[in-house]
Amino acid sequence: KAGVTQTPRYLIKTRGQQVTLSCSPISGHRSVSWYQQTPGQGLQFLFEYFSETQRNKGNFPGRFSGRQFSNSRSEMNVSTLELGDSALYLCASSLPGLQETQYFGPGTRLLVL
Amino acid sequence: AQRVTQPEKLLSVFKGAPVELKCNYSYSGSPELFWYVQYSRQRLQLLLRHISRESIKGFTADLNKGETSFHLKKPFAQEEDSAMYYCALRGGFQGAQKLVFGQGTRLTINP
Repeated sequence: KAGVTQTPRYLIKTRGQQVTLSCSPISGHRSVSWYQQTPGQGLQFLFEYFSETQRNKGNFPGRFSGRQFSNSRSEMNVSTLELGDSALYLCASSLPGLQETQYFGPGTRLLVL
Repeated sequence: AQRVTQPEKLLSVFKGAPVELKCNYSYSGSPELFWYVQYSRQRLQLLLRHISRESIKGFTADLNKGETSFHLKKPFAQEEDSAMYYCALRGGFQGAQKLVFGQGTRLTINP
């Protein structure tokens, strides 16, 4: 099976702009989670989507949003970018059942100038 | 609140020596604990989870609820074990996929 894919892999934006990142889960996986990774804060949970519904949410401002489509692909959007949003954004997918393992994508590296 | 603490940011040992990466957690319920590993230029991947009680690449980890710890151990380190290791906790309602990660420990195995 193909792994989790994320596009684009690298992105440069300026403050105030918005950005959309995409994640395609492993075939058959219906849960998609997003994480932000920074040197200072480490890996932090953003949100999880399952069957097109947000099932869980981390402690991030409303500028961070996401959605999931009927084919389980997911997008996350960050509006009004700030310098501190520069990070590696990781997507992970899993089967919907209890105790299922999350499989991570390679990440999208976002640089905000 | 859910919290995972990895007290060592860096750990360096010689090849063939035992390795122990420490992980302590804070969670009021029954957590699931995981170790994830990230090798150079590779994606984050699951190394092992406490419910599996298995040994992967010679690594083991035992959940100690009394000490709220989930330390990762290997009796004889190999150079290919050099990587970033993250301890993670999953709590919350069943089926939810929120992982809380520690800050990670960079393990370097010296020849």
